[in-house]
Amino acid sequence: GEDVEQSLFLSVREGDSSVINCTYTDSSSTYLYWYKQEPGAGLQLLTYIFSNMDMKQDQRLTVLLNKKDKHLSLRIADTQTGDSAIYFCALHGSSNTGKLIFGQGTTLQVKP
Amino acid sequence: ETGVTQTPRHLVMGMTNKKSLKCEQHLGHNAMYWYKQSAKKPLELMFVYSLEERVENNSVPSRFSPECPNSSHLFLHLHTLQPEDSALYLCASSQGERGYTFGSGTRLTVV
Repeated sequence: GEDVEQSLFLSVREGDSSVINCTYTDSSSTYLYWYKQEPGAGLQLLTYIFSNMDMKQDQRLTVLLNKKDKHLSLRIADTQTGDSAIYFCALHGSSNTGKLIFGQGTTLQVKP
Repeated sequence: ETGVTQTPRHLVMGMTNKKSLKCEQHLGHNAMYWYKQSAKKPLELMFVYSLEERVENNSVPSRFSPECPNSSHLFLHLHTLQPEDSALYLCASSQGERGYTFGSGTRLTVV
C-alpha cells in the first residue's frame, strides 16, 4: 500500500532555516499538503503544492516537490519559537479514494 | 475556529461510562472522518463517512460506534472504554481533493 515517511524530530536554533522532509511510495495526488499541529490542538493546513509544480513559496515557507524522487520538503526560513510544532505531510494515494495519507509527523523544536 | 467544531474539548470518563463525542461542520463538505492520535504514535484513521454513508472502518473495536445523521454532523459514541483508549480524537471533513479541515480535537482520558 501507499506509504508516507518523515523523520520524527528536528531541532534548530531560532533564526536558522528548518527543512522538513517527506518521501512517499506512490501518489495520484493533485495536491500535496503540509499540516501544522501545535500542542493540544488539531491539525491546521499550513500550505500545499499543486502536483505539476516543483516549488511554491509563501512568505517564510518554501515547498519543494521532486516527483521523480517522490520527495516533498518544507523549508521554514528564519525559524521562530512559535514554529515549534508537529508538521505532517499528506497526500492522496494512488487508489484515488479521496482519502489522505499522512506521514508520522516531524516534531520541530526551536531553541532560543 | 477552523470551520469544524468538536465538543467537548476535554472528557474524563470511567471505564463503565457511556459518552459521545460530537463533530459539526458547516463548510458544505461531503466527507467526514474520525482519527485517533495517541502519544508517540502515528495518526490512526478510525472511520470515514462519505455522503453520510460509512465507507471505511479500520478494525476499530466495537466499543467505538460512529454515527452520521446528516452531512454536517458526526458523532463517536463511546462505551466500556479501556485506559489505552485515552487519546486525542480528531474529526475532519473534506470535499473532493481539497485537503482536510480538522477540528481542535477532544482530549479523552479513561480512568
